[in-house]
Amino acid sequence: NAGVTQTPKFQVLKTGQSMTLQCAQDMNHEYMSWYRQDPGMGLRLIHYSVGAGITDQGEVPNGYNVSRSTTEDFPLRLLSAAPSQTSVYFCASNPQRSGSSEQFFGPGTRLTVL
Amino acid sequence: GNSVTQMEGPVTLSEEAFLTINCTYTATGYPSLFWYVQYPGEGLQLLLKATKADDKGSNKGFEATYRKETTSFHLEKGSVQVSDSAVYFCALSDANTNAGKSTFGDGTTLTVKP
Repeated sequence: NAGVTQTPKFQVLKTGQSMTLQCAQDMNHEYMSWYRQDPGMGLRLIHYSVGAGITDQGEVPNGYNVSRSTTEDFPLRLLSAAPSQTSVYFCASNPQRSGSSEQFFGPGTRLTVL
Repeated sequence: GNSVTQMEGPVTLSEEAFLTINCTYTATGYPSLFWYVQYPGEGLQLLLKATKADDKGSNKGFEATYRKETTSFHLEKGSVQVSDSAVYFCALSDANTNAGKSTFGDGTTLTVKP
């Protein structure tokens, strides 16, 4: 199993550009999430999905869209990039609804918006 | 809402020193508690977890005990190694909600010197 994979690893955008961060998992996990990691602020939840066709907002959803057309894929779209979206983005999945299950994280995408 | 407060870093120790990283939490109900570790350039991975009061999670020489009376989940290791240098995150999930909605602390950077 490859686990959770993310592409690209690094990206530089100009203000106003759009792009999609890709995330895929091959563990047949129902639940997937996107977090952003900023210095001194831990991880903050952007959007999450409890299954194909179902998504919901997390703590910091503004400026981001998601969709979940398959169990495996959960892309994150930046509609019009802003410097405040400079961050490291992590995708995660977990196998069950219970809050006791661990999350499996991808390696991250480091995004810089100029 | 839920929150996690971690000991501020960075923490620098000599090899074989004793490690404690403090973590306290605020949550309704009975959350599950986790420690994740992030090595340089990688995503987070589960280090240990505890799902109910007085449970002790352990892995790779690290331990943490779920203390409901003090709402704490402090991470300890008796003798650290250079390879333990990483960022450590304390996290919680409500038992009755999706683990993908975890709340994370800000992270504590540990550097171990030979």
